[in-house]
Amino acid sequence: SQTIHQWPATLVQPVGSPLSLECTVEGTSNPNLYWYRQAAGRGLQLLFYSVGIGQISSEVPQNLSASRPQDRQFILSSKKLLLSDSGFYLCAWSPPGDRGHLFGPGTRLTVT
Amino acid sequence: SQQGEEDPQALSIQEGENATMNCSYKTSINNLQWYRQNSGRGLVHLILIRSNEREKHSGRLRVTLDTSKKSSSLLITASRAADTASYFCATDRPGNTPLVFGKGTRLSVIA
Repeated sequence: SQTIHQWPATLVQPVGSPLSLECTVEGTSNPNLYWYRQAAGRGLQLLFYSVGIGQISSEVPQNLSASRPQDRQFILSSKKLLLSDSGFYLCAWSPPGDRGHLFGPGTRLTVT
Repeated sequence: SQQGEEDPQALSIQEGENATMNCSYKTSINNLQWYRQNSGRGLVHLILIRSNEREKHSGRLRVTLDTSKKSSSLLITASRAADTASYFCATDRPGNTPLVFGKGTRLSVIA
């Protein structure tokens, strides 16, 4: 079966610390992968998407970066977190057909 | 930029009533999708309607699409307390571009 995993579920990090969030997909190959951020009570902001290994498109300039070292792995990183990086981070992939995006459970990041 | 804009931002109804949420968008689309998000969770895909379709049903959900007005509506009939969640529309535009999500409607169904 096709599943998507994200970890950690919650994270509290001080300002200036690094960040690494991981997303993996099972049961498919060469998926389109996406990172979104959702501020409290707000909609989704697309951060990065990838159509293949090593191929990353950035939608919003910021101090975050993304990498896709393997076909089914998508990593969101930062060298130095800002307070404004707090939010709910969601990974998603788009299976073929009319199923839309399948989302992971999300990571709640609080930068203190 | 945000493509979809949901209306209203928040909606509170009694159990058993129908809930209607609207979505407007600005550019051409391949399809429009509706998602649901329970508090603190990931989004769940509900239904997809293609640009050449006008209405689609799935259980208690009814979605309409008016491409001339660039708008869509999601109707939940006979609402239940468990329908309490945020609902988002997302547009799939031509050119293999990512989905663009609206800001959502927060639905509260009171038992």
